[in-house]
Amino acid sequence: QVQLVESGGGVVQPGRSLRLSCASSGFTFSTYGMHWVRQAPGKGLEWVAIIWNDGSKTYYADSVKGRFTISRDNSKNTLYLQMNSLRGEDTAVYYCGREIWYGESREYFGHWGQGTLVTVSS
Amino acid sequence: QTVVTQEPSLTVSPGGTVTLTCASSTGAVTSGYYPNWFQQKPGQAPRALIYGTTNKHSWTPARFSGSLLGGKAALTLSAVQPEDEAEYYCLLFYGGAQPNWVFGGGTKLTVL
Repeated sequence: QVQLVESGGGVVQPGRSLRLSCASSGFTFSTYGMHWVRQAPGKGLEWVAIIWNDGSKTYYADSVKGRFTISRDNSKNTLYLQMNSLRGEDTAVYYCGREIWYGESREYFGHWGQGTLVTVSS
Repeated sequence: QTVVTQEPSLTVSPGGTVTLTCASSTGAVTSGYYPNWFQQKPGQAPRALIYGTTNKHSWTPARFSGSLLGGKAALTLSAVQPEDEAEYYCLLFYGGAQPNWVFGGGTKLTVL
């Protein structure tokens, strides 16, 4: 079955860096585009970034552009999010998810992991 | 900045029917926005319910259905159960040279 396991979160000071990982299993990882989304405490969901299945294209939310970098290692079935210049407003649970194209339809985040909590605080 | 708007809160009686909507600041929502719907209960990760406007996942209860209604994406719950009390989020895709994905702010559904 599809499994997504996020890791790498923790407490970090403002301005510092952190790298998140998303280990995937149960599907052919290299076939799918992958996303990161986040949820600040008590708030709604916010889309963060996407990477194409082959890593050829990446897109970011304006709130993280220039500070975060999404990448993947298809040989390890793992998605990454490098977060630099972290700010208090980046404090959130971070989730990864896949995108599936079905002809005229698209599925986003059909499966969710437990997420990983990033706390940016001095 | 693109904004996706949902009702902040709705209340429904057990056994009743309720429709949640998802509107885009850019205009009418169409199937090309590939509306997806998610349910989230306190302390849990979200769970996918609907993709591509109307399609259900294998685990989605039959009482949940998705549609387009009056220029918005819609999620209708029929014969509402107490366990349907949760936060519901929609997600829309915006294509173009700089694609973007935007979640709605969520609807808190109370079953009372």
